[in-house]
Amino acid sequence: GAGVSQSPSNKVTEKGKDVELRCDPISGHTALYWYRQSLGQGLEFLIYFQGNSAPDKSGLPSDRFSAERTGGSVSTLTIQRTQQEDSAVYLCASSLAGIADFFGPGTRLTVL
Amino acid sequence: DAKTTQPNSMESNEEEPVHLPCNHSTISGTDYIHWYRQLPSQGPEYVIHGLTSNVNNRMASLAIAEDRKSSTLILHRATLRDAAVYYCILRVNYGGSQGNLIFGKGTKLSVKP
Repeated sequence: GAGVSQSPSNKVTEKGKDVELRCDPISGHTALYWYRQSLGQGLEFLIYFQGNSAPDKSGLPSDRFSAERTGGSVSTLTIQRTQQEDSAVYLCASSLAGIADFFGPGTRLTVL
Repeated sequence: DAKTTQPNSMESNEEEPVHLPCNHSTISGTDYIHWYRQLPSQGPEYVIHGLTSNVNNRMASLAIAEDRKSSTLILHRATLRDAAVYYCILRVNYGGSQGNLIFGKGTKLSVKP
């Protein structure tokens, strides 16, 4: 498909485990963003990649969160030692020149 | 970042026009006005954006006040599928490189058949 894809769509994990969430942006999009949305809450910015520039990590809530983007394409968001408050829908978006951001369907993370 | 103010909720009847207001009194000259919407259980979806002039696309129209301190998203004929949370967001354009979107609480639009 031509849109942003994310995997897995759902992830259930136990407290203390590490998880990896994947985002496949639209081909050619230079900007990639991660957000999260807790139940009934607004979207919270996590991290932003723009081309070859250093990522903007200002939204990461703790050092348990990290993300990388390999080859300017696929991105992985890693959460170490998950906590129950990490439960949320994690959304990825990509854009070209920032005119319109295209969001993926999200990964619903549940930490038991 | 300049902030926006939107009503928490609005109701509309199906097939009637809907005007969703947004106030952004502290907008700067480099801020673009963007609108996104989020349907239930989906990621946000781009609707429209503008700088100074009114804009039209297949989804909606954007009317921007002359002083740019407010704007209105217009859905010409609301359908049940338009029921969503609508976000008005200001975004600076740094020559094509833009930072993240800052989402507020938005306006929850309900459409009655």
